Amino acid sequence: GAVVSQHPSRVICKSGTSVKIECRSLDFQATTMFWYRQFPKQSLMLMATSNEGSKATYEQGVEKDKFLINHASLTLSTLTVTSAHPEDSSFYICSAPLYTEAFFGQGTRLTVV
Amino acid sequence: GQQLNQSPQSMFIQEGEDVSMNCTSSSIFNTWLWYKQEPGEGPVLLIALYKAGELTSNGRLTAQFGITRKDSFLNISASIPSDVGIYFCAGLLRGEAAGNKLTFGGGTRVLVKP
Repeated sequence: GAVVSQHPSRVICKSGTSVKIECRSLDFQATTMFWYRQFPKQSLMLMATSNEGSKATYEQGVEKDKFLINHASLTLSTLTVTSAHPEDSSFYICSAPLYTEAFFGQGTRLTVV
Repeated sequence: GQQLNQSPQSMFIQEGEDVSMNCTSSSIFNTWLWYKQEPGEGPVLLIALYKAGELTSNGRLTAQFGITRKDSFLNISASIPSDVGIYFCAGLLRGEAAGNKLTFGGGTRVLVKP
């Protein structure tokens, strides 16, 4: 299947700092990418849809100023968690659709201390 | 957003057993996808289903797209310890405004019997 690469896989940061997570489609182009958040033992919760060349679409209840999304090219979307707090600690996963399938990155475990 | 009803939520398997899980929805989907997620990793696509009634296999995995388009099941035959993980179903409605937005089931956690 297609490959989506997410980086970093783990990050620990101090409260108040910002963290950037990258999501790349390695062997295909993606005009749309999706960002999910996953709490322990739960399913994936869609946070936002990243659109190349235009603004991201955020799901209800997700703060756009807290979770900045930039879809810089047809193969790269970034999620920046700004002014991180301990409650932002979570597992963040991106996905990119290809035709009628979706491929996921490896996920990023964010820990805010 | 809407979610698919996936069951069971968890199950214990013994090596060699066949296991089954399913997803149901009140909505019709055009595509069903089954994923497996291992701890600390992103979901990996196992099987994709595109037509009502379609039965597709991938090794020891078999999945079917329900005839009503509102359900799907996944079977694992002759389970082995590495089958442990969380299995998610996902449905795709064509024509979603955001394009290819998936709806996920709650997941089935497969564990090994002690």
